[in-house]
Amino acid sequence: DIQMTQSPSSLSASVGDRVTITCRASQGIGNNLGWYQQKPGTAPKRLIYGASSLESGVPSRFSGSGSGTEFTLTISSLQPEDFATYYCQHHNIYPRTFGGGTKVEIK
Amino acid sequence: EVQLSESGGGLVQPGGSLRLSCAASGFNFTIYVMTWVRQVPGKGLEWVSAISKNSDTTYYAVSVKGRFTISRDNSKNTLYLQMNSLRVEDTAIYYCVKGGWADNWGQGTLVTVSS
Repeated sequence: DIQMTQSPSSLSASVGDRVTITCRASQGIGNNLGWYQQKPGTAPKRLIYGASSLESGVPSRFSGSGSGTEFTLTISSLQPEDFATYYCQHHNIYPRTFGGGTKVEIK
Repeated sequence: EVQLSESGGGLVQPGGSLRLSCAASGFNFTIYVMTWVRQVPGKGLEWVSAISKNSDTTYYAVSVKGRFTISRDNSKNTLYLQMNSLRVEDTAIYYCVKGGWADNWGQGTLVTVSS
């Protein structure tokens, strides 16, 4: 199975900060990666697919990059509604495992 | 608008069984892989199972293989998860997810395994 390692597991940031979350795959997955945002009490929502393609309706301050084994999710200017937990998931072979999550908290 | 509505969750004793359903609407259900993902409250996401569009291929996490069975009825636009030999560690919110790339999620149904 492919293991997905996210870092950091949590971070504190202020409104307006640039935030970067990293996801590493235990083997190469090409660009087969998605990023998800989950707010408390709600289902996850996909932000990014294909490592760098922005889901329709998602603000442009979110961006994804990377290929192979290392990927990043960047929020260029953190907004109050962005405080949430973020997950990566590979979309390569089965099982399609998730990273452990990164909780973005208010500083 | 894509809608995924899970049902069938509840409280069950260890060793018991439960069948989850997911009613899908707003998209052509018959051409999509469908997936189940679970989440222990307060913890991370765990991919559970997936099924191909015509049911000829199924996939399972090691943690549920041999105990859970995924199926679908394309005539009813409905996805199922039959869960047998349930364990305390199967307690989680179970999400129905559209596609192998998880583009839309249902609101989830809570399964509690406890004596």
